[in-house]
Amino acid sequence: GAGVSQSPSNKVTEKGKDVELRCDPISGHTALYWYRQRLGQGLEFLIYFQGNSAPDKSGLPSDRFSAERTGESVSTLTIQRTQQEDSAVYLCASRAGPEMEQYFGPGTRLTVT
Amino acid sequence: AQSVTQLGSHVSVSEGALVLLRCNYSSSVPPYLFWYVQYPNQGLQLLLKYTSAATLVKGINGFEAEFKKSETSFHLTKPSAHMSDAAEYFCAVTPSGTGGYNKLIFGAGTRLAVHP
Repeated sequence: GAGVSQSPSNKVTEKGKDVELRCDPISGHTALYWYRQRLGQGLEFLIYFQGNSAPDKSGLPSDRFSAERTGESVSTLTIQRTQQEDSAVYLCASRAGPEMEQYFGPGTRLTVT
Repeated sequence: AQSVTQLGSHVSVSEGALVLLRCNYSSSVPPYLFWYVQYPNQGLQLLLKYTSAATLVKGINGFEAEFKKSETSFHLTKPSAHMSDAAEYFCAVTPSGTGGYNKLIFGAGTRLAVHP
């Protein structure tokens, strides 16, 4: 079956512009995560959605970052007034249920010029 | 708070040699532990996971890892390296128990190079 998909695969934007990144999780997966991977570094947790529960936003680095998810479907990560330090690969993952592994998408490479 | 340390940001081995990638964790509760592999320009793929069953875990592509509570380690090994194993490897931890299985805490990664 289809895996986690993300769009766009690459995004170049000017400093100060807003960007929106999309994640389509695996169908039926109740949990969805966003991570950020800066060049040469590990992944940083950003936000976690589980069904209709309030999302865990504890990893969002600033109020310029926000994310939404409708039900158990698509999620969008929005970065407002982008800064050069926002340049990174943004990875989305989904999970079927408790004690199940996370399946990762290919990521969106964001470059802020 | 949980954390993960991967010793060695770069490891280089000869084809056919033993692969050993080190991972140590800190966690106040028994954790779940994972190894992921990332090939160039691709997302992460799960190699194996430990979720409090057998301490020696076998994964895909001939990799295995052993959970050692006394050493707080979860090192990844493969008896014989193949050129196709060249990639970046990430160790990750998440606290076990109800409500704890939300986010993964990742190590900084180890880039494995395999030379002929």
